[in-house]
Amino acid sequence: DTGVSQDPRHKITKRGQNVTFRCDPISEHNRLYWYRQTLGQGPEFLTYFQNEAQLEKSRLLSDRFSAERPKGSFSTLEIQRTEQGDSAMYLCASSLSDRVSGNTIYFGEGSWLTVV
Amino acid sequence: GQNIDQPTEMTATEGAIVQINCTYQTSGFNGLFWYQQHAGEAPTFLSYNVLDGLEEKGRFSSFLSRSKGYSYLLLKELQMKDSASYLCAVRSLNMNSGGYQKVTFGTGTKLQVIP
Repeated sequence: DTGVSQDPRHKITKRGQNVTFRCDPISEHNRLYWYRQTLGQGPEFLTYFQNEAQLEKSRLLSDRFSAERPKGSFSTLEIQRTEQGDSAMYLCASSLSDRVSGNTIYFGEGSWLTVV
Repeated sequence: GQNIDQPTEMTATEGAIVQINCTYQTSGFNGLFWYQQHAGEAPTFLSYNVLDGLEEKGRFSSFLSRSKGYSYLLLKELQMKDSASYLCAVRSLNMNSGGYQKVTFGTGTKLQVIP
């Protein structure tokens, strides 16, 4: 499978605990995105990387959220001191910056987080 | 900022044609995407428009009018498996972030196909 992969697919955690999600983008895709989606809503932008540089971070993202892409390949999204409102599906996506593909974003299967 | 509007829900009959509209307001517009999302799954890419006009791909077509800030997704010969949410997403160019092209999604239109 050469698509975007995310791990874990499901995570149940107690409030106050830290969680980390990993994303492996499509090979050679230089752009990587994190989105969050709750029931009945569209994906909400969290942050974006071009290679290893984090170019934009949503203002909606509190300081408890941090994302890294240390070598410009895989990325991690960490949520510290989780709250019940963090329960959502966290989507990773990647794209290739060329004119042919039109920078189409391809999504992974998502990581479901439930904070109890 | 950006604003994307699409109907919340639609119902259509198997074998029929349905049109899902999307209107948007954004600065630095640089393309519009349509994605399909089945419940509990990730969005999958359907179409991309950057110039005015109609793009046809099998049973699915997408139209864009940049001057009107309007797009629609047309689904023909509806099948039961087409029951899903359809997400309109707008890409805009942010020159303050190294030319970063941010993609913002609407809330989606939940389509129910009935026999």
